[in-house]
Amino acid sequence: DTGVSQDPRHKITKRGQNVTFRCDPISEHNRLYWYRQTLGQGPEFLTYFQNEAQLEKSRLLSDRFSAERPKGSFSTLEIQRTEQGDSAMYLCASSLGEEKLFFGSGTQLSVL
Amino acid sequence: DQQVKQNSPSLSVQEGRISILNCDYTNSMFDYFLWYKKYPAEGPTFLISISSIKDKNEDGRFTVFLNKSAKHLSLHIVPSQPGDSAVYFCAATFTGTASKLTFGTGTRLQVTL
Repeated sequence: DTGVSQDPRHKITKRGQNVTFRCDPISEHNRLYWYRQTLGQGPEFLTYFQNEAQLEKSRLLSDRFSAERPKGSFSTLEIQRTEQGDSAMYLCASSLGEEKLFFGSGTQLSVL
Repeated sequence: DQQVKQNSPSLSVQEGRISILNCDYTNSMFDYFLWYKKYPAEGPTFLISISSIKDKNEDGRFTVFLNKSAKHLSLHIVPSQPGDSAVYFCAATFTGTASKLTFGTGTRLQVTL
């Protein structure tokens, strides 16, 4: 399967813990995006990378969130000191330039 | 501030009939619009798109119509099939903004036998 891969699919954590998610984009895609989707809402843009450079971050991305894309390949999204409001589906997507986005199946985070 | 709105949270249509999903936007700077389909436990999948220089785009059973003056677009599915049952998201973006999408809240379509 050469689609966008996300790991883990589900994560349950206690408030205050740190969590890290991984995304492997489609191999030839130079752009990688992180979105968050809460119940009853559409996906909301968090940040995007072009190759290894993080070019834009949403104001939704508080200081507790950090994303990296070393060597322009896979990406990680870390949330420090998780809060209950962080519970959501975290979606990764990739694209080749301005072409359409291909999404992964997401990581469902539940903060207890 | 919801810039892309899908006012119908759900829609039920009989198999073989037409499904019409609606979307409104408020930001007149949006110039490219997309529809994504989402099944449970999967990520959104691209369905069809339209540029603001067009008012219609067709792809098989799917047609998207754009009315720029009304800031409204719609997705028509003809004929509807049970496999079309999913949540449909409308999304909008500006050319040159790195495909950063603004999504609506989605419409759940159920196609009944």
